[in-house]
Amino acid sequence: AQSVTQLGSHVSVSEGALVLLRCNYSSSVPPYLFWYVQYPNQGLQLLLKYTTGATLVKGINGFEAEFKKSETSFHLTKPSAHMSDAAEYFCAVSDRGIKAAGNKLTFGGGTRVLVKP
Amino acid sequence: SQTIHQWPATLVQPVGSPLSLECTVEGTSNPNLYWYRQAAGRGLQLLFYSVGIGQISSEVPQNLSASRPQDRQFILSSKKLLLSDSGFYLCAWDRSSYEQYFGPGTRLTVT
Repeated sequence: AQSVTQLGSHVSVSEGALVLLRCNYSSSVPPYLFWYVQYPNQGLQLLLKYTTGATLVKGINGFEAEFKKSETSFHLTKPSAHMSDAAEYFCAVSDRGIKAAGNKLTFGGGTRVLVKP
Repeated sequence: SQTIHQWPATLVQPVGSPLSLECTVEGTSNPNLYWYRQAAGRGLQLLFYSVGIGQISSEVPQNLSASRPQDRQFILSSKKLLLSDSGFYLCAWDRSSYEQYFGPGTRLTVT
């Protein structure tokens, strides 16, 4: 079984400051991990993913995340926040099901980011 | 490229009325399809998924049902809505790369 914990349901950062969103997971299989962003009243957009290989993955909009197996973490960072980064962010882990069985994602509770000018 | 559509975008329905939400995917074939619900202040809850036409799996018992009459069409239904059915409904698809792609969502308010 998989689970995802996102520490902090709300994060407030100043424009230009570091954005750090924390995600810890548990998984019975080597994890495939994802970060999604959701703007108000919109669907989720994939920011980045980790499957195998390099543990530091880069995504869209200047975000990156590092997979740390020993810490069971997949924290999301962006060096300099922009006003347009205000949104809700979701971390998710895949059960890596075969296509015939569906691929179920387990999501964290989400972190809402507020960017102050 | 692939696109996913959902309609309607918003819906206000009285308690006890029926529901039909539709999701269609373009630009791919034989996708896995998913229905999620986001209730206010809560995360995403997987409601149903489908790996093929007529194949529906339910994740939680509830007042809703799903159907997949065509390869790229996924429908969420209810015969009688409850207040607790209010929320933001998201459809998603994937094929073989594990990440899911989401539609724009339907905001349902049951009054």
